[in-house]
Amino acid sequence: QVQLVQSGAEVQKPGSSVRVSCQASGGSFSSYAINWVRQAPGQGLEWMGGIVPIFGTPNYAQKFQGRVTITAGDSTTTAYMELSSLTSEDTAVYYCARDRGVQGVLYGMDVWGQGTPVTVSS
Amino acid sequence: EIVMTQSPATLSVSPGERATLSCRASQSVGSTVAWYQHKPGQAPRLLIYGASTRATGVPARFSGSGSGTEFTLTISSLQSEDFAVYYCQQCHQWYTFGQGTKLEIK
Repeated sequence: QVQLVQSGAEVQKPGSSVRVSCQASGGSFSSYAINWVRQAPGQGLEWMGGIVPIFGTPNYAQKFQGRVTITAGDSTTTAYMELSSLTSEDTAVYYCARDRGVQGVLYGMDVWGQGTPVTVSS
Repeated sequence: EIVMTQSPATLSVSPGERATLSCRASQSVGSTVAWYQHKPGQAPRLLIYGASTRATGVPARFSGSGSGTEFTLTISSLQSEDFAVYYCQQCHQWYTFGQGTKLEIK
């Protein structure tokens, strides 16, 4: 059974960038959609973007276009999400999550990382 | 971008009773809707995919229905562990989540 393990908590200053990693173990990775979802304090879940490693081209939510970069090599088991130009509104828990569908067919996310808290504060 | 709208925002139900949560898509998404349960301090849990198929290990009291633009999650007899926030999600054009329904104890 695949597990996703994320990097640890981050504290960043406004205007800087943050990079969060997501490493898969115990199962397949590269033929599934790997996504990044965040939850700000008191807010709901928000999909930021995703990538199917064997296809290589990421897709981003409109809100984050130009500010987020998602990468994952098809020969590796680690995905990354980098968010730039941080503001206090980016303070949130960031999750990686794998869709249950293979070859990029989307059904819903059945495997989740443990979440990475990111705090943006001066 | 497809917008998912959930109602109500908060639902108060007694244990043992039935809960019905609604989700509307801004355009047709076929049957490509998933439902999640989210509890504080935990990662979200996939309950339903393909609008009506229960994910592995999900109890039979959870059921999903709908197609096109209208979708429903029903919990037939609420248990104490079911009180949480529930999100619908469209998987037709990548993803968007609804804003969530908080299911609380009456």
